Amino acid sequence: EVQLVESGGGLVQPGRSLKLSCAASGFTFSNYYMAWVRQAPKKGLEWVATISTSGSRTYYPDSVKGRFTISRDNAKSSLYLQMNSLKSEDTATYYCARDNNYFDYWGQGVMVTVSS
Amino acid sequence: DIQMTQSPASLSASLEEIVTITCQASQDIGNWLAWYQQKPGKSPQLLIHSATSLADGIPSRFSGSRSGTQYSLKISRLQVEDTGIYYCLQRYSKNTFGAGTKLELK
Repeated sequence: EVQLVESGGGLVQPGRSLKLSCAASGFTFSNYYMAWVRQAPKKGLEWVATISTSGSRTYYPDSVKGRFTISRDNAKSSLYLQMNSLKSEDTATYYCARDNNYFDYWGQGVMVTVSS
Repeated sequence: DIQMTQSPASLSASLEEIVTITCQASQDIGNWLAWYQQKPGKSPQLLIHSATSLADGIPSRFSGSRSGTQYSLKISRLQVEDTGIYYCLQRYSKNTFGAGTKLELK
C-alpha cells in the first residue's frame, strides 16, 4: 500500500524558514517523480514544486521560485521542501504527492501557518 | 501561463441525477488533464487522468471527455458519497488547477 506521511509543519514568523519532510513507503520511491501541492485555508489547490527521480531536475511556479527548494533522499525514501523567506500567503496545508504523470497518491497533508 | 476556467463554482443536484462539470483551458493542452475529488478534511483523490481514463478503483459512473480545449467530468448517477469539491488539473505546461466545483446534494 502506497503511503506518504508529511511532517515538519507548524507556526513560523514571516521571513523565517521551515523544512517539511515526506516519508514514502509501499512503492519504489526512486522510480517516481515527486511533488508538493498546497492548499490555503478554504481555498483551492496550488502546485508548489516537482523533482525528478534522481533529484537533478526541479520545477517551481513563479510564486515560490527562489524561496522554496525541493529535494529528495532516495536511500531514505524521503522528500523534502525547504521554505525560506516565508510570507503570510504561504499559510496552507502542504501535501506530498507521487507524480506518475499525474498526482496519483497524496499524503494527508501538514499545516504551515506563517504569522507573527 | 495556462489558465483553467472551471464551472460551475457550485452545484446542487439530486440523487441519481446526471452531473457535468467543465474546465476550459486557455490554450491547447492535448489530453494532459486530470480530475480530482476532495472531501472535507481529506486529501484529493484522482478520478480521471489523460482527459478520459478512469483511475484505478474509481466507479464507472465517473467519466471524462474532451471537446477541443473544453474538458468535462460527468457523474452519470449521483450518489451520496459523490459530494465534495472537484478540481481539474492541466499538466501540459507546469501544473494548473481549476478553481474547484463544490457539489452538494439537493
